Amino acid sequence: DAGVIQSPRHEVTEMGQEVTLRCKPISGHNSLFWYRQTMMRGLELLIYFNNNVPIDDSGMPEDRFSAKMPNASFSTLKIQPSEPRDSAVYFCASGTSSGNQPQHFGDGTRLSIL
Amino acid sequence: RKEVEQDPGPFNVPEGATVAFNCTYSNSASQSFFWYRQDCRKEPKLLMSVYSSGNEDGRFTAQLNRASQYISLLIRDSKLSDSATYLCVVAGGYQKVTFGTGTKLQVIP
Repeated sequence: DAGVIQSPRHEVTEMGQEVTLRCKPISGHNSLFWYRQTMMRGLELLIYFNNNVPIDDSGMPEDRFSAKMPNASFSTLKIQPSEPRDSAVYFCASGTSSGNQPQHFGDGTRLSIL
Repeated sequence: RKEVEQDPGPFNVPEGATVAFNCTYSNSASQSFFWYRQDCRKEPKLLMSVYSSGNEDGRFTAQLNRASQYISLLIRDSKLSDSATYLCVVAGGYQKVTFGTGTKLQVIP
């Protein structure tokens, strides 16, 4: 079975550039989560969607960050303009909202902003 | 107080030892609890769910204490391959989850 698929796996870009991270959740999962992980702050929930609708975006750090889920099989996290402090590993995870089942994570995108 | 708190460790234990981690949570309305394992530079992976009655999976035992608001993970007969960071996860409604910062375990030969 295909798991959560994220792209790109690695991204290195200069500050000020737009960065778009992509995620394809597991088929049949109706919840999708974007996380950011750094050594200093650990794993932080940025935003999560249920049935393609954003439920809680309180973790999105600034207006430079935006996320969309146009359909059940695709989501994007966009940073514009990017800054060096955005460097982190960004994980996408999916799950089902019934019964609080566990989430399954993608391999992550390692983002470096120079 | 943090929503989910864990001792960051590291816990350095010899092979074959038994080690236990605790995790406390602040929201008494939390509904679901999990332990995840994360290897260096990898994604978190589900280790086991934590049920109210406690549950066991091979060398791993998870327990929940709702009265004191903590969950625990016990690893018996530690293996070198158990070396990882163990993340406690607490979930409420609509899959709103909070991850602990993790406890690092290093099993030493």
